[in-house]
Amino acid sequence: EGQLVESGGGLVKPGGSLRLSCAASGFIFTNAWLGWVRQTPGKGLEWVGRIKTESEGATIDYAAPVNGRFTISRDASKSTLYLQMNSLQTEDTAVYYCTTVWRSGSYHFDYWGQGALVTVSS
Amino acid sequence: DIQMTQSPSSLSASVGDRVTITCRTSHSIISNLNWYQQKSGKAPKLLIYAASNLQGGVPSRFSGSGSGTDFTLTISSLQPEDFATYWCHQTYSIPWTFGQGTKVEVK
Repeated sequence: EGQLVESGGGLVKPGGSLRLSCAASGFIFTNAWLGWVRQTPGKGLEWVGRIKTESEGATIDYAAPVNGRFTISRDASKSTLYLQMNSLQTEDTAVYYCTTVWRSGSYHFDYWGQGALVTVSS
Repeated sequence: DIQMTQSPSSLSASVGDRVTITCRTSHSIISNLNWYQQKSGKAPKLLIYAASNLQGGVPSRFSGSGSGTDFTLTISSLQPEDFATYWCHQTYSIPWTFGQGTKVEVK
């Protein structure tokens, strides 16, 4: 059974930076597409981005609101996914979930982390 | 971007009721539609993928149907543990998008 554990959430001022980590276990990390989804009370669930496997070039796609400010990366030696968030804005306040992306029939998020709360406020 | 219209936004039901939630997309997504259940304070949980495939471990009272632009999640006989929020989700094209959610509440 796969498990994802996020860390690194917290309070940050507008314009600041924060890095979330997601430690993975229970599945073959190098074979997995991984992603981030966030949830705000006002907007519901919002896809943030996705990274493919390293053998597929670790190709990344981002949602428009975070493109150019957020960076997704993965470290196979640590079985860890990262989300580097720069130039944070108040509207980035959300619970951030890391997910695995399974490819069978459709792309879908099968494993989810417990969530990390990011609050952007002065 | 593909727009998702999920309805209703909330509904009240009793244990044993048949519940139906619909999701409509702005363009055809063939069968690239997933459904998740989320309970308060928890991460979403995958129920149905590729429109009609039941995720392992999910009770058979949950079912999904549809293709193209119109999709349905059905709970055949609502159980106490099913009171939650349900989300549809398309992965036909990036950006992947979610519906607005349906909160199933106790009548």
